[in-house]
Amino acid sequence: AQTVTQSQPEMSVQEAETVTLSCTYDTSESDYYLFWYKQPPSRQMILVIRQEAYKQQNATENRFSVNFQKAAKSFSLKISDSQLGDAAMYFCAYTGWGTSGSRLTFGEGTQLTVNP
Amino acid sequence: EAQVTQNPRYLITVTGKKLTVTCSQNMNHEYMSWYRQDPGLGLRQIYYSMNVEVTDKGDVPEGYKVSRKEKRNFPLILESPSPNQTSLYFCASSIARGSPDTQYFGPGTRLTVL
Repeated sequence: AQTVTQSQPEMSVQEAETVTLSCTYDTSESDYYLFWYKQPPSRQMILVIRQEAYKQQNATENRFSVNFQKAAKSFSLKISDSQLGDAAMYFCAYTGWGTSGSRLTFGEGTQLTVNP
Repeated sequence: EAQVTQNPRYLITVTGKKLTVTCSQNMNHEYMSWYRQDPGLGLRQIYYSMNVEVTDKGDVPEGYKVSRKEKRNFPLILESPSPNQTSLYFCASSIARGSPDTQYFGPGTRLTVL
């Protein structure tokens, strides 16, 4: 079974600085996607960024980028120029295509605080 | 607007009183799924459906039922709710079609069982 681990329950960053959230996963599948979802106090799950495993290039979305290390099964999220609106719970998630279709497996989450 | 909707958004009920949480998507997605979120556990899949009339259990299916009679709707049924089902519930959908893809989430339903 696939597992996703986020070893940082809480992180904090100063406004305008850069922060990196860590995520590791375990899988035996070769075709899979990795995601970072953001959950603000509204509780809505918002897709931040996704990475297809077959792509060597790291995904980037404006101030958000990932460091995808496939051999090490590591998938970290870097937030540059942090803003107050980035404060939220961040979940790393995995989806493959096994017998249960496109199931998302989530990590435990990292609570990010942005200090003014 | 492409979206997943859930109703109700908030619900307080008592033990044993049957309830249904509705989920609907307007993106013609094949794959739909229910998750529950509990502190320190992330989100865990309850049930999923790969197409109309095709449903199966996820990681935590005990105490829940689902149905998929139409492609756009995937209701979650709690026939005899218990306090340990107090949680935040999310419905999600994706295109599927035989490969992993992005799942889009509804706004969540906060359920309290007294």
